[in-house]
Amino acid sequence: KAGVTQTPRYLIKTRGQQVTLSCSPISGHRSVSWYQQTPGQGLQFLFEYFSETQRNKGNFPGRFSGRQFSNSRSEMNVSTLELGDSALYLCASRADRNDYEQYFGPGTRLTVT
Amino acid sequence: AQTVTQSQPEMSVQEAETVTLSCTYDTSESNYYLFWYKQPPSRQMILVIRQEAYKQQNATENRFSVNFQKAAKSFSLKISDSQLGDTAMYFCAFIGASGTYKYIFGTGTRLKVLA
Repeated sequence: KAGVTQTPRYLIKTRGQQVTLSCSPISGHRSVSWYQQTPGQGLQFLFEYFSETQRNKGNFPGRFSGRQFSNSRSEMNVSTLELGDSALYLCASRADRNDYEQYFGPGTRLTVT
Repeated sequence: AQTVTQSQPEMSVQEAETVTLSCTYDTSESNYYLFWYKQPPSRQMILVIRQEAYKQQNATENRFSVNFQKAAKSFSLKISDSQLGDTAMYFCAFIGASGTYKYIFGTGTRLKVLA
């Protein structure tokens, strides 16, 4: 079974631009969560999607948004990029909300200049 | 609010030796799950081991074992016979079983295995 995939793996953007990251969960997994990882803040939870609905949200500004499609694939969008948005963005999937084991993708490295 | 604390930012161990990584957590929930994740320099986060709070027996996965002390809210990871491939960041994570479905991660411990 294929693991969690994320595209693109690397991105360089300029301040003020917007970006869309994509995540394909493990086949059959219905819950997708997004995390931001930085050296200073560690792993911070962004949001979780299940059945195309956002179920949980972390403490991030409204510039960070996401969605989930009927095939469980998920996208996250960051608008009006700031230098501080430079980070590794990780996606994780799990089979169901009651399944507590989550599996991570390789991440998208976003650099904002 | 739940918190997870990893007090050792960096550790090193000689190949073939044993090392223990510490993790403490705080929660008011009675049932929850704890995990150790490994993130090698290539970045893919890998689940190492999990522990259900209602199970008294410590989880073991090959060379990896945990020491789960529920009353002390402690969840340490022991790596036996350390290998160079164990070099990675290790994250301790908590999720309550009450229905919030939100993971809380520690800040990580960078482990370096020395040849």
